[in-house]
This record gives sequence, structure tokens and C-alpha cells, in this order.
Amino acid sequence: GAGVSQSPSNKVTEKGKDVELRCDPISGHTALYWYRQSLGQGLEFLIYFQGNSAPDKSGLPSDRFSAERTGGSVSTLTIQRTQQEDSAVYLCASSPGPGLAGDNEQFFGPGTRLTVL
Amino acid sequence: AQKITQTQPGMFVQEKEAVTLDCTYDTSDPSYGLFWYKQPSSGEMIFLIYQGSYDQQNATEGRYSLNFQKARKSANLVISASQLGDSAMYFCAMRETSYGNNRLAFGKGNQVVVIP
Repeated sequence: GAGVSQSPSNKVTEKGKDVELRCDPISGHTALYWYRQSLGQGLEFLIYFQGNSAPDKSGLPSDRFSAERTGGSVSTLTIQRTQQEDSAVYLCASSPGPGLAGDNEQFFGPGTRLTVL
Repeated sequence: AQKITQTQPGMFVQEKEAVTLDCTYDTSDPSYGLFWYKQPSSGEMIFLIYQGSYDQQNATEGRYSLNFQKARKSANLVISASQLGDSAMYFCAMRETSYGNNRLAFGKGNQVVVIP
């Protein structure tokens, strides 16, 4: 079956512009995560959606970052007024959901490489 | 505070030899899970192995095994019989489950290069 997909794969933008990054999780997965990976670093948690529950936004670095998940499936991460320090690979992952079989693994998408000039 | 620590410098490993990647963690949650992911140069994150805090035995998955020492808060990954395709960054991660938080906290990674 299809894995997690993300679009675009690469995005180059100018400082101050807004960008939207999209994630399509694995069908049926209720848990969805966004992470950020700066060059040469590990992954940094951004936000977590679980079903219809309020998302855990505690990892968002500033109020310029927001995310939504429509219909419990597709998610969009929006960065407003982009800054050069926002340049990174943004990775989305999904998993079946807490307590469900297979939830010990988060399945990652290929990521979106964002470059802010 | 850093929850996952991976401090080894980049490693060169001879093909067919075993390699151990160190990972220590910090948590006060009695219920947690430990993960290892592989990230080759292509960038995708590939799940390798999982160890639950209450698991009595060390996890194994093919050539991968996790040396879990709970009292030392250590979760080292052992790759046996290294192959050229094992060249990648390896990330240790932890999920603390008691607080209803499913996020993964990642270490900074270990670079492994397998040489023929």
C-alpha cells in the first residue's frame, strides 16, 4: 500500500513569504506527526494530531508556525513570514494510533526540503 | 534537557564486522519506548527496532539487536555483519508514554560508513 507522501519535495522561497507543506498519511492511521530536521541534526518534534483530539502544539517554535488536519487525514503545515532559520527538512510521520497494533512504529514520509533565501 | 544522547563521532566499520552505536536516555517516566531509525543519504527515515521499557528481553530484528540496560539508561544498537548498505546516519529516539504524549525525542545521530 501507499506510504506517507509529502509535497512539495523541495520548496525555495524568499524571506517573508508564507509557505504551505502538505502531508498525506497512510490510510487509516489516526496519529500524525510533524518534525523538523535542520542540517546535520536530529529530528525536532513540532506537532502531533491524534484523531479528533486537540493537537499537541507544544513543539511549534513560534506563532508563525501552524498546522491543521482536515477530515482526520491530510495535514498542512503553514509557516508565515518565513525566516532563514526556518530552512530545514520538514518530515511528516503517521502511525495507527495509541494502543493499536503497529503503533510502535512511526512511518515517515520523504520530507519537504525548505530553503528560505 | 537533552533526553537522548548520542556522542560518538563518525565511525568507519569494516564490511562483515559488527558495530555498536551508543545511546543513553533520560526520563522519569516509568513507561517509555526506545527506537532506532536509519537515515541513508537519500533522506528517508527507516525504522529498525523497538524496545519497550517493560520488555524483559532485548529486542532483535534480523542483524539488528538492542542492548537494553535499564538501570544505566542505555539502549545501544548492535549491527552484526555490516554491509555496505548500512552506511547511514543512525538515530536513537524515545517515546514517553505515561503522559499521553506520543512524540519521539531524537538524539543527534551517529554517522556510520561501512568500508569494503
